[in-house]
Amino acid sequence: AQKITQTQPGMFVQEKEAVTLDCTYDTSDPSYGLFWYKQPSSGEMIFLIYQGSYDQQNATEGRYSLNFQKARKSANLVISASQLGDSAMYFCAMRGSGTASKLTFGTGTRLQVTL
Amino acid sequence: DTEVTQTPKHLVMGMTNKKSLKCEQHMGHRAMYWYKQKAKKPPELMFVYSYEKLSINESVPSRFSPECPNSSLLNLHLHALQPEDSALYLCASSQPGTSGRATYNEQFFGPGTRLTVL
Repeated sequence: AQKITQTQPGMFVQEKEAVTLDCTYDTSDPSYGLFWYKQPSSGEMIFLIYQGSYDQQNATEGRYSLNFQKARKSANLVISASQLGDSAMYFCAMRGSGTASKLTFGTGTRLQVTL
Repeated sequence: DTEVTQTPKHLVMGMTNKKSLKCEQHMGHRAMYWYKQKAKKPPELMFVYSYEKLSINESVPSRFSPECPNSSLLNLHLHALQPEDSALYLCASSQPGTSGRATYNEQFFGPGTRLTVL
C-alpha cells in the first residue's frame, strides 16, 4: 500500500519569499513517481513537478524545485519568489508501477501568499 | 492540444434524475480516470480506463456507471444519487504506465464538474 503524508494543513508566506511544503511517503514499490499538483479555488488540478524514484538529481521547473531525500522518504516542494497567484491548495501524490497505476494523494497544504 | 475538457461545469440534480458527465481529451492518451473530490479533501479515485477497458473500480456504488466509448471520450452516468454524492468530479488522462516500472506519465486534469444533488 502507498501512503502520502502532508503535515501542514496551512502555510503563510510573504510575497517574494521562498516556502517549503512538506511531503513524506511510504511504499514498498521499488519504482515509483512523486508528483506535486496545485489546485486553485477554481478546482482544476495543475501539474507542477515530477520526481522519479531512480532520478539522481532533484527536479526543477522554473520557480518550483523538489527536495527529494529518498532515504528519508521525503519529497518537499520548494517555491521560490512566491507570488500572490501561488495562493492555492497543493497536493503531493505518488504513483507506483503498473499499467494502470493510480495516483495516491496526500491531504494537501493550503498556501496563502501575503503582501 | 494539452487540454482535458469536461461538461457541464455545474450540475444540479434531484435524487431521481439521470444525468451524465462528459470528459474529452485529444492528446492520444490511452488511460482515463474519474476522481471524486469533496470540499477540503484530496481527490479520490473512482475508475480507471486503460485502452478503453475498465481496469480499476474503487468499489464505487452502482449508481455511478462509467463508459469509455472511444479513446478520447469518457462518460460518467449518474442515476439515483444521494445528497452525499455532491462533490467536484474530476476527469484526468495520461499515457498508461509500464508494467514493473513507474514512468513519468503525468495525469492531465480537466476543470471538473461541480455536482449538487438535492
